[in-house]
Amino acid sequence: AQTVTQSQPEMSVQEAETVTLSCTYDTSESDYYLFWYKQPPSRQMILVIRQEAYKQQNATENRFSVNFQKAAKSFSLKISDSQLGDAAMYFCAYRSLGMGSNSGYALNFGKGTSLLVTP
Amino acid sequence: SQTIHQWPATLVQPVGSPLSLECTVEGTSNPNLYWYRQAAGRGLQLLFYSVGIGQISSEVPQNLSASRPQDRQFILSSKKLLLSDSGFYLCAWSPGANQETQYFGPGTRLLVL
Repeated sequence: AQTVTQSQPEMSVQEAETVTLSCTYDTSESDYYLFWYKQPPSRQMILVIRQEAYKQQNATENRFSVNFQKAAKSFSLKISDSQLGDAAMYFCAYRSLGMGSNSGYALNFGKGTSLLVTP
Repeated sequence: SQTIHQWPATLVQPVGSPLSLECTVEGTSNPNLYWYRQAAGRGLQLLFYSVGIGQISSEVPQNLSASRPQDRQFILSSKKLLLSDSGFYLCAWSPGANQETQYFGPGTRLLVL
């Protein structure tokens, strides 16, 4: 099974500054999807951004962007102009491309990074 | 637009009691549906998924079962709860065959005493 590692249990950033959250994964597959989800105190998982492994261009969504390094199996999330509302747990997740197999449906999550935003 | 509902939001149950958690999706048809569990301080673990009515696949053998009686309804059940069943249960949906993005409901917090 693919494993996802988030090596930073906690991170802190000042409002309006930029922060980068790290994620590495282990896989032997060539095609897959990667995601960042945000879990605020309400605990609902909210999709932040996704990346298809076959695309070389890094995904961006407003203030959120990723640095996808396929060879290094690295998928970091950069949050620019941090806001108080960005404070949450952030989870990196991996999903196989394959359909019809067990691994093809599961999102494999890392253990998360808690982001604190200070005024 | 699509929305996903879960209830109850919070549940406190004694050990050995039955369980029924419900998840419904609106605004789409024939979604893939998923049940995840999140233990304290950890990521999510997939419990069950369904690609259609009556079609359930289990990822982890355990004390729980799932059913899909209608296209947009997914139920998580147990006949006798264990202390280890405590956790946060999230339902998710994705648009269909090989659609990769999963969208999550608000979750149910279950405490077994």
